[in-house]
Amino acid sequence: DTAVSQTPKYLVTQMGNDKSIKCEQNLGHDTMYWYKQDSKKFLKIMFSYNNKELIINETVPNRFSPKSPDKAHLNLHINSLELGDSAVYFCASSQDRTGEQFFGPGTRLTVL
Amino acid sequence: AQTVTQSQPEMSVQEAETVTLSCTYDTSESNYYLFWYKQPPSRQMILVIRQEAYKQQNATENRFSVNFQKAAKSFSLKISDSQLGDTAMYFCAFMKLGGGADGLTFGKGTHLIIQP
Repeated sequence: DTAVSQTPKYLVTQMGNDKSIKCEQNLGHDTMYWYKQDSKKFLKIMFSYNNKELIINETVPNRFSPKSPDKAHLNLHINSLELGDSAVYFCASSQDRTGEQFFGPGTRLTVL
Repeated sequence: AQTVTQSQPEMSVQEAETVTLSCTYDTSESNYYLFWYKQPPSRQMILVIRQEAYKQQNATENRFSVNFQKAAKSFSLKISDSQLGDTAMYFCAFMKLGGGADGLTFGKGTHLIIQP
């Protein structure tokens, strides 16, 4: 059983397109996150969601929007994709606001 | 805001040797968690070890142990009897207590290579 899953694992698209990455966790956790890992492997938090509420929103372009249909899912929508959006995107979840975060396998997004 | 610094971009050791990865952090928080995550070539993020700042005892997990120096804001990872499967990127991460909504703050990582 996969604890945190993401689809797709690879996504290649053209500049200007709109795309979504799905994330699901079966751990019953109450907080979910999106991280971005750039080409230099640096990881940075983008969003977190708790009880269907967006908790934080870092300096992320408003082209990025998280959507949570329910507690187990946190999808990432990206509009008008740019070359600089190419990265690996990780979804994660945690039991509470102090616990270990469990990561999904990552989605490698390539914008051409 | 907190920062996490890993000063060793890459390290290489022979199999079975002991290796120590360095991590320092800066924060004004008094209660927080520190983590070491491993990212092998498969890119999966795997928790190696976790330390609560309010605990004086250093955390250990089998061959992995930390040297946590709260006053110095240092959190190094020691890997004993290194194995080929330990080859990976290692990330040090910080999270303030009750601050899960802020997510993890990561260092830039250390690429560890275990040579046969």
